Amino acid sequence: GENVEQHPSTLSVQEGDSAVIKCTYSDSASNYFPWYKQELGKRPQLIIDIRSNVGEKKDQRIAVTLNKTAKHFSLHITETQPEDSAVYFCAASDHGGSQGNLIFGKGTKLSVKP
Amino acid sequence: DTGVSQDPRHKITKRGQNVTFRCDPISEHNRLYWYRQTLGQGPEFLTYFQNEAQLEKSRLLSDRFSAERPKGSFSTLEIQRTEQGDSAMYLCASSWDRNFQAFFGQGTRLTVV
Repeated sequence: GENVEQHPSTLSVQEGDSAVIKCTYSDSASNYFPWYKQELGKRPQLIIDIRSNVGEKKDQRIAVTLNKTAKHFSLHITETQPEDSAVYFCAASDHGGSQGNLIFGKGTKLSVKP
Repeated sequence: DTGVSQDPRHKITKRGQNVTFRCDPISEHNRLYWYRQTLGQGPEFLTYFQNEAQLEKSRLLSDRFSAERPKGSFSTLEIQRTEQGDSAMYLCASSWDRNFQAFFGQGTRLTVV
């Protein structure tokens, strides 16, 4: 089955700087890669996703890139703000996406210092 | 709130007792997933339904875990003979099978004492 590795486990940046979180996956059949943001005590919230037929996707200050050959994908947050502080999880579709269930990385705790 | 809802939000139970959690998905979604999340980890997939059919249950943690979705709407997750190691956040998510995007509920936090 799919396995997802995520790095770094913690990331501290100054407000206004950029943050990058990287993930690798093992199953070349995976075709869907979402990112979730989870604040303390709250539900994981979908913030951006990318499908395997696309190399990059942007939504305001957030962007995701996908390298299918290398089997890795990254989340980029620009102009970070204190409210970006949270745990971010990457995920990849399991079973080639036929079931829709996701395999998650272990998360990155992002701290944005004012 | 038209999102995924879960009940209860918190459950404290004694070891050996049975517990049942409920999930109400987004109404137009036909897929429903159960995940477990322990401290410092990402959600771990347990099982999923497409409409009322449970299509994957091999990832359920043991035969003490079972799930139902009798009419293709809400779902329940039951844990029998709870153990301390079952303490975790149990998350439900739903999606439309033509769109991978899955939306999570707020979870049920289980504490087994």
